[in-house]
Amino acid sequence: GDSVTQMEGPVTLSEEAFLTINCTYTATGYPSLFWYVQYPGEGLQLLLKATKADDKGSNKGFEATYRKETTSFHLEKGSVQVSDSAVYFCALTDSNYQLIWGAGTKLIIKP
Amino acid sequence: ETGVTQSPTHLIKTRGQQVTLRCSSQSGHNTVSWYQQALGQGPQFIFQYYREEENGRGNFPPRFSGLQFPNYSSELNVNALELDDSALYLCASSPAQGENSPLHFGNGTRLTVT
Repeated sequence: GDSVTQMEGPVTLSEEAFLTINCTYTATGYPSLFWYVQYPGEGLQLLLKATKADDKGSNKGFEATYRKETTSFHLEKGSVQVSDSAVYFCALTDSNYQLIWGAGTKLIIKP
Repeated sequence: ETGVTQSPTHLIKTRGQQVTLRCSSQSGHNTVSWYQQALGQGPQFIFQYYREEENGRGNFPPRFSGLQFPNYSSELNVNALELDDSALYLCASSPAQGENSPLHFGNGTRLTVT
């Protein structure tokens, strides 16, 4: 079945560092890909998405490009802030349009 | 615009008991989905309701059931609770079905089964 694999956390960085959180997927067909973020004590929020190969999703300085050839959707940000500390989830939609989630990557940004 | 609200925020139950979790969807949203998120894991899809009908279900046993009401609010019922049911239960609403309809999540209900 379809699946999503994320790099294990926690990922700990200093403020203004460059961020990459790896995400790879296995899917039949051509899923849409998503990154969601979960801040402490809050629900999940959509961060960005891409619906077809080579699309780039972006929001709040975060970017991810849909790479069909490597089945990847890595999340990047050029300069992280303490406020970016959260758990980040990569997800895809399966053939029934239901979300399949990765296990999440906890990001800790130190001032 | 009111977001997705879930109640209660926390709940402790004993193994074998039954529980009902509630979700008020965002105004104008007719689709509600429920997810189970175990500690340190990603959410697992339980089921989805569209206009009061279940129209998708994940790999959960029949003791997980739900309802959607005419105002599009929803309930998740779990019978014969097991220790492994301890998790954060998330409700998400969307204005329509389909992969391009954005999900809006509530803050979840933390269920502990002892």
